[in-house]
Amino acid sequence: GENVEQHPSTLSVQEGDSAVIKCTYSDSASNYFPWYKQELGKRPQLIIDIRSNVGEKKDQRIAVTLNKTAKHFSLHITETQPEDSAVYFCAPLYQAGTALIFGKGTTLSVSS
Amino acid sequence: DVKVTQSSRYLVKRTGEKVFLECVQDMDHENMFWYRQDPGLGLRLIYFSYDVKMKEKGDIPEGYSVSREKKERFSLILESASTNQTSMYLCASSLSGQAYTDTQYFGPGTRLTVL
Repeated sequence: GENVEQHPSTLSVQEGDSAVIKCTYSDSASNYFPWYKQELGKRPQLIIDIRSNVGEKKDQRIAVTLNKTAKHFSLHITETQPEDSAVYFCAPLYQAGTALIFGKGTTLSVSS
Repeated sequence: DVKVTQSSRYLVKRTGEKVFLECVQDMDHENMFWYRQDPGLGLRLIYFSYDVKMKEKGDIPEGYSVSREKKERFSLILESASTNQTSMYLCASSLSGQAYTDTQYFGPGTRLTVL
């Protein structure tokens, strides 16, 4: 089956630093690559996504980059703030259209 | 504004009981999903449905069944609850049938404890 791995599993940064979370996947047919954020006690929410015909997408302080050849995509958060503290999940689309496969999550802690 | 609601936030059941978890969405979404979330394991897909009366198995369907009699409602059924089904259960919905690149909107979750 599909193998999705996120690294690191935990990440601690100082406010204002950048944070990068990497997601590797095994299904070469995957063509959709979202990131979800789950704050403590809340439901997951989509924060950014990218499709396989695009290499990078930015939305203010967050960006996603995709390397289809190497089968990984990364979430970049610049100028981190305490409210960025959350668990982040990558969820590449499995078998080009059946279901998202969520990674195990990365816990980001931003200290002020 | 999409609303996905789940029938209970917290539920405590006994081993062997039949358990129903209900999920309702109000945005006329075609796709609905059930996940369980456990520490260190992320979100694992149990079942999903892309249309009324249609269902597909996810990664961990054993011990669960689902029902989708109406478009807005997707039920998860534990036929005979066991302690290893103690978990947080999350429901989600997305817009288009069989096009899974749409945003998934999650419910608040049901924390189920099986004693």
